[in-house]
Amino acid sequence: EAGVVQSPRYKIIEKKQPVAFWCNPISGHNTLYWYRQNLGQGPELLIRYENEEAVDDSQLPKDRFSAERLKGVDSTLKIQPAELGDSAVYLCASSGPGQGKNEQFFGPGTRLTVL
Amino acid sequence: SQQGEEDPQALSIQEGENATMNCSYKTSINNLQWYRQNSGRGLVHLILIRSNEREKHSGRLRVTLDTSKKSSSLLITASRAADTASYFCAPLNSGYALNFGKGTSLLVTP
Repeated sequence: EAGVVQSPRYKIIEKKQPVAFWCNPISGHNTLYWYRQNLGQGPELLIRYENEEAVDDSQLPKDRFSAERLKGVDSTLKIQPAELGDSAVYLCASSGPGQGKNEQFFGPGTRLTVL
Repeated sequence: SQQGEEDPQALSIQEGENATMNCSYKTSINNLQWYRQNSGRGLVHLILIRSNEREKHSGRLRVTLDTSKKSSSLLITASRAADTASYFCAPLNSGYALNFGKGTSLLVTP
C-alpha cells in the first residue's frame, strides 16, 4: 500500500513569490493534516481536515497561507507571498477513521527554501 | 492539544546499550504517543499508551506512563545504529492533532 505522497520534495523560491505543496493521503484516510517543521524543532500543526472540511485551522497564518482539500482526498497548501521565515519542511499526514485516528502516517515532506 | 517536553535534548550511546528518554506534560491526557524521525523513513509512529495504562511494549521498545507525575519514558533496549533518530512525544487530551516538542536526538555509534 502506498504511503502519503507529497510533491515537490524540494522547492527553492525567492521571497514574495507564491508556492504550492501537494499531498495525496493514504487511500481511505479521511483525516488529513498539514504540519510545518522548522530546523531543530518538532512539527507544528497548521491545519486539519475531516474529509473536505477544515476543522482546525487556528494555527494557519491566514494572511498568506491557504489550503484546500477538494473532494476530500488530495490537498494543496499554498503560500502567497512567501517570506524568508517560511523556510521549513512542510509535512502532510493522514489518519484513518475511528481508532485509526490515533496513528498518523506522515509523508516525506517538502523542504522549502525562501531566498 | 498540549505540547510534550522531551529530555534529554541529545543522547549519545554505543550499539548494544539501552537508551532512555523522557517526556513531561502539563495537563491530563487521553493518550500519549511516541514518534521517531530520521532522514531515511521520515516521521513514524512508534507506540501509543493510553491514560489507564502504565506500561506498554513493542519489540525493543518499552514505554511507561505515570499520570500522577505527568511523565512518560521511552526505553530502547539493545540499541542499533539504525535507531539513530529524533524521538518525539505527543500527549493528547482531546482531539487528534499532535503537538510535538523539540524531541530527543539519539545517536547510536557502532
